[in-house]
Amino acid sequence: KAGVTQTPRYLIKTRGQQVTLSCSPISGHRSVSWYQQTPGQGLQFLFEYFSETQRNKGNFPGRFSGRQFSNSRSEMNVSTLELGDSALYLCASSLEDSINQPQHFGDGTRLSIL
Amino acid sequence: AQKITQTQPGMFVQEKEAVTLDCTYDTSDPSYGLFWYKQPSSGEMIFLIYQGSYDQQNATEGRYSLNFQKARKSANLVISASQLGDSAMYFCAMRPVYGQNFVFGPGTRLSVLP
Repeated sequence: KAGVTQTPRYLIKTRGQQVTLSCSPISGHRSVSWYQQTPGQGLQFLFEYFSETQRNKGNFPGRFSGRQFSNSRSEMNVSTLELGDSALYLCASSLEDSINQPQHFGDGTRLSIL
Repeated sequence: AQKITQTQPGMFVQEKEAVTLDCTYDTSDPSYGLFWYKQPSSGEMIFLIYQGSYDQQNATEGRYSLNFQKARKSANLVISASQLGDSAMYFCAMRPVYGQNFVFGPGTRLSVLP
């Protein structure tokens, strides 16, 4: 069974550009969450999608947006990139909306802003 | 609001010895799930072990076990017979009730010494 797939693995952009990151969850998983991880900041929750609806949202500016498609694949978009957006972006999926279901993570996309 | 606290930013342990990583949590929900993840320097997040709030026994998975004390709201991870490959960041996480996103702690960096 394939795991969570994130593309691309590495990305270099310049300030002011926009970027789209993609996440394909494990087959059958309907919940997809996105996290930003910077050195010393731990995992910062961005948003969660469940059955194509954004269910939860973290404390990030409106430049960060996302969506989920009918096949549960998800994309995250960041517009007007800033230097501080340089981070590892992790996507995680889970099977059911149950407290005993772990999140399974992709390998992440490392975004560098020049 | 739910919160996870990991009071040990860094820990050192000698190879083949056991180590305990602390995790305390705060929630008013009667049902919740607790999870531990390992993040090696390569960046991927690896699910290690799960404990349900109503589980009577402490969870175990190979060399990993959970010391769950519900009244104290603590879920400490115990790694027995540490190996060099255990050197990584370890995150404690909680999944609250239906519809709420996972909450992660700040992590503990474990270094295993030869």
